[in-house]
Amino acid sequence: DGGITQSPKYLFRKEGQNVTLSCEQNLNHDAMYWYRQDPGQGLRLIYYSQIVNDFQKGDIAEGYSVSREKKESFPLTVTSAQKNPTAFYLCASSSSSGVGNTIYFGEGSWLTVV
Amino acid sequence: AQSVAQPEDQVNVAEGNPLTVKCTYSVSGNPYLFWYVQYPNRGLQFLLKYITGDNLVKGSYGFEAEFNKSQTSFHLKKPSALVSDSALYFCAVRDNYGGSQGNLIFGKGTKLSVKP
Repeated sequence: DGGITQSPKYLFRKEGQNVTLSCEQNLNHDAMYWYRQDPGQGLRLIYYSQIVNDFQKGDIAEGYSVSREKKESFPLTVTSAQKNPTAFYLCASSSSSGVGNTIYFGEGSWLTVV
Repeated sequence: AQSVAQPEDQVNVAEGNPLTVKCTYSVSGNPYLFWYVQYPNRGLQFLLKYITGDNLVKGSYGFEAEFNKSQTSFHLKKPSALVSDSALYFCAVRDNYGGSQGNLIFGKGTKLSVKP
């Protein structure tokens, strides 16, 4: 089935540790996005990529890093510099960044600091 | 700056009654508006969008939304609510002006509760 796969669903991070969330899509979409969701705050953009080997910071990029080496993959690394990483992380994609195109979402990953 | 407001944190409806979830927007230029639904511990599912054309947009699961340019609103509606419609609903506008062009700008969400 076509779609966006995020893994793992649940991840626990120790203080000072970097962790990487995986996002893979088989929709042949050019654009990919990472959002963070906190209760009562809606979704906020972390990073986005409009094309392979290119990505841009979103509204809350500090403490996060990404790569886009392949069209289908857009992993997100949560670094130790991110002071409050506990949240629900959502990966998304669209055929392009054109404003009329629909953005589709994966099932999300929970990250908890222990 | 472009923004979306969902004025109600929660909407309560009896099963079988019509439902409305409100959304207002502020954009530069033409608005590109979206509705998504999120069930607990799940990702967002696309319901419908307004790009241009007919002000009444029909979407998935019997939902529809009415675009009103003069009131800058894009309210989500359904004629007869189901208990299974209980979820978190997000209105969003596509950023067609700012630095992150193409990104979605979300409202804070409205929790819909449908009682039997």
